[in-house]
Amino acid sequence: DIVMTQSPDSLAVSLGERATINCKSSQNLLFNSNNKNYLAWYQQKPGQPPKLLIYWASTRESGVPDRFSGSGSGTDFALTISSLQAEDVAVYYCQQYYTTPLFGQGTKLEIK
Amino acid sequence: QVRLVQSGSELKNPGASVKVSCEASGYTFTKNSMNWVRQAPGQGPEWMGWINTDTGNPTYVQSFRGRFVFSLDPSVSTAYLQISSLEPEDTAVYYCARGAYRGGDYYFFDYWGQGTLVTVSS
Repeated sequence: DIVMTQSPDSLAVSLGERATINCKSSQNLLFNSNNKNYLAWYQQKPGQPPKLLIYWASTRESGVPDRFSGSGSGTDFALTISSLQAEDVAVYYCQQYYTTPLFGQGTKLEIK
Repeated sequence: QVRLVQSGSELKNPGASVKVSCEASGYTFTKNSMNWVRQAPGQGPEWMGWINTDTGNPTYVQSFRGRFVFSLDPSVSTAYLQISSLEPEDTAVYYCARGAYRGGDYYFFDYWGQGTLVTVSS
């Protein structure tokens, strides 16, 4: 079974600074036939459902601010927020969909 | 606009059953899969499985086979999750989530219901 591990578990960043969250898969998520990485990122605020931010590891969902970006390939991925805003405080999850969908354990992002 | 609206919170005794509904609007119901996701208190989301909204065929993750049943009523664009023989460990928020279509059906989720809290306690 694939294991998804996020780091760090929590992160405190100053407003306007860059925040980076990492996600490591125990197996390759790059599907050779279409050259796509089957990795998505979600944002979850308290009392709300997860919100899709990024899919195919780096494709921003419609309506998501361009300060959010995804990178990586194969087994190592990152979500970067280029300039942290107060409304970005949330828990962030990566999710692989190469096989049975599986979420990482989450990274809690706070303001320093 | 796409919306998934779930039924309200439930408080159940152990051994009882519960049925959660998820009414979809703003898109053609049968064009996307409907998925169910559990989130236990303080935990990350856990995918339970999905139902083919065109055929009604459900698929369950191993750990959700037996007491969990996915069903549909396409005439009212609604999906259902029924849980029988409830246990305290079933206490969680249950979400319906639409499977994304990006030139094909993929198992990431672009729209989510607001969640239904099911609490199992005597």
